[in-house]
Amino acid sequence: GAVVSQHPSRVICKSGTSVKIECRSLDFQATTMFWYRQFPKKSLMLMATSNEGSKATYEQGVEKDKFLINHASLTLSTLTVTSAHPEDSSFYICSARDLGLGTDTQYFGPGTRLTVL
Amino acid sequence: GESVGLHLPTLSVQEGDNSIINCAYSNSASDYFIWYKQESGKGPQFIIDIRSNMDKRQGQRVTVLLNKTVKHLSLQIAATQPGDSAVYFCADLLGGGNKLTFGTGTQLKVEL
Repeated sequence: GAVVSQHPSRVICKSGTSVKIECRSLDFQATTMFWYRQFPKKSLMLMATSNEGSKATYEQGVEKDKFLINHASLTLSTLTVTSAHPEDSSFYICSARDLGLGTDTQYFGPGTRLTVL
Repeated sequence: GESVGLHLPTLSVQEGDNSIINCAYSNSASDYFIWYKQESGKGPQFIIDIRSNMDKRQGQRVTVLLNKTVKHLSLQIAATQPGDSAVYFCADLLGGGNKLTFGTGTQLKVEL
């Protein structure tokens, strides 16, 4: 299957700082990427849909000014957690939508573990 | 609420046995279904998918069955191995949509 990478895999930051997480589709182009948040032993919660060349679409209850999303190219989307606080600590996962060769499948990155002290 | 839910939160099987993980969905407009495997600390890994115009699809050691009449989806894993231990999520996609809805997940534990 297609490969999606995330960087960094783990990050620890101080409260009040901003953290940027990158999501890359390595062997396909993705006009649409998605950002999820996952709490321990819970399912994935969609935060926003990242569209290449346009503004992201946020799910209800997700603060767009706090979770900044940029989809600058067909292979890269970034999520910036601004002014992070301990309650933002979580596992953040991105996915990229592969529409090549008649498919329509989302492939997930390995996730980024964010810990805010 | 979520359109997809799983029947059992934990499933324990003996190594070598077959595993069956079940999933129910509620939206008849869902036309694409995917099973993902997630190991601890990792992102979900695509296992197999099926479209609503099919009722069965087979992969390597895995089979997905779709029963649209009762809105039920299952994942069968043949000859379950210790490496199959993980949380399995089903997800569905509404026709014409691009947002997946995930179920709550089933923890599969393989006992030696």
